[in-house]
Amino acid sequence: QKEVEQDPGPLSVPEGAIVSLNCTYSNSAFQYFMWYRQYSRKGPELLMYTYSSGNKEDGRFTAQVDKSSKYISLFIRDSQPSDSATYLCAINGGSQGNLIFGKGTKLSVKP
Amino acid sequence: GAVVSQHPSWVICKSGTSVKIECRSLDFQATTMFWYRQFPKQSLMLMATSNEGSKATYEQGVEKDKFLINHASLTLSTLTVTSAHPEDSSFYICSARAPATDTQYFGPGTRLTVL
Repeated sequence: QKEVEQDPGPLSVPEGAIVSLNCTYSNSAFQYFMWYRQYSRKGPELLMYTYSSGNKEDGRFTAQVDKSSKYISLFIRDSQPSDSATYLCAINGGSQGNLIFGKGTKLSVKP
Repeated sequence: GAVVSQHPSWVICKSGTSVKIECRSLDFQATTMFWYRQFPKQSLMLMATSNEGSKATYEQGVEKDKFLINHASLTLSTLTVTSAHPEDSSFYICSARAPATDTQYFGPGTRLTVL
């Protein structure tokens, strides 16, 4: 089993829809969870950072961590065409303190 | 958020030449920087971890003599692709770990094309 699993999509939604992006992970010891957004041919941009369980909200974005089921989610409300990108979940769990990434979910928001 | 820059953003070189990529943390000091490689439609693959003042730690399968990493200061790490070949063509991205947190901030990436 891979350490972080993420459905690669692609996911296509109409503008204004609520988007739900998800990842599962295998190691219950992981504590730090992040979501990055990557536009084509650009470096990843940190969107949300969560420590341990719970919810964190920032504007239209909500990150949720459920440690009991080892499940992390990113919700995007009122999605916009500018949200079209690849979204990567990441966990700070590598042996070098590096991030372990999911494969990324490609999101397309249609106007 | 913290800013990380990379230079150059795009480079084309001939097979057999060496290419140096710089990664700088602009508004914070980073004792640890990471180098990733990303092929089209793939996720980021960690190549090596760079710690200031010490030797880099390479991931399995990454040739340390081919991908030379130097982290001479708290704001600069360099990756040199030596004797580049077409199969080295990829998108190289660095990240820097912000102090007192476990977040990482990424550079904009460098697209390397080896002819």
